[in-house]
Amino acid sequence: QKEVEQNSGPLSVPEGAIASLNCTYSDRGSQSFFWYRQYSGKSPELIMFIYSNGDKEDGRFTAQLNKASQYVSLLIRDSQPSDSATYLCAALWGGGKLIFGQGTELSVKP
Amino acid sequence: GAVVSQHPSRVICKSGTSVKIECRSLDFQATTMFWYRQFPKQSLMLMATSNEGSKATYEQGVEKDKFLINHASLTLSTLTVTSAHPEDSSFYICSARAQTGENIQYFGAGTRLSVL
Repeated sequence: QKEVEQNSGPLSVPEGAIASLNCTYSDRGSQSFFWYRQYSGKSPELIMFIYSNGDKEDGRFTAQLNKASQYVSLLIRDSQPSDSATYLCAALWGGGKLIFGQGTELSVKP
Repeated sequence: GAVVSQHPSRVICKSGTSVKIECRSLDFQATTMFWYRQFPKQSLMLMATSNEGSKATYEQGVEKDKFLINHASLTLSTLTVTSAHPEDSSFYICSARAQTGENIQYFGAGTRLSVL
């Protein structure tokens, strides 16, 4: 059973703080991982993808991948109220399919 | 990023009717598109993989005769919910995979289906 696990939250952080979102996956065969942001009632939008061990930074966002531990994380620096959304972690499986975690709800308080 | 257009954004229909949802990649060709369903407070569940010019591949538990998928061109896939019932009410989202090495999927805006 291929699974992607996330803490459903909600995760609440004050404005300006660092938000840390975590994700684990079950199948070592997966090579690529994606973080999507989904606002309520909207479809997911891609934030970042990562396929190499280590960190990948893009603006306020940093994705971290540890294949040995089967662990992916997303850090959001200087969190803003507009970052409040559900963050979906997804792993790429065969045939280009994405398997999504249940999502972590993030709330950034002004 | 690549743009995926999905229409309609919302459908309200009577039980027993069929509903067609269109998914178009506007600025790139997509040999593969995906259809997802999302119930409230739940994550996206893959329904089927749509490949241009061939039959769709359905995930376990998804009725292929109820959810008809057609991918007639490199920029258009359609999902038809046949004989819709209230339990089919959900948020249906398509995605298209860009033909790059990263296997990135870009999502349409979604279609909220309400079956009365």
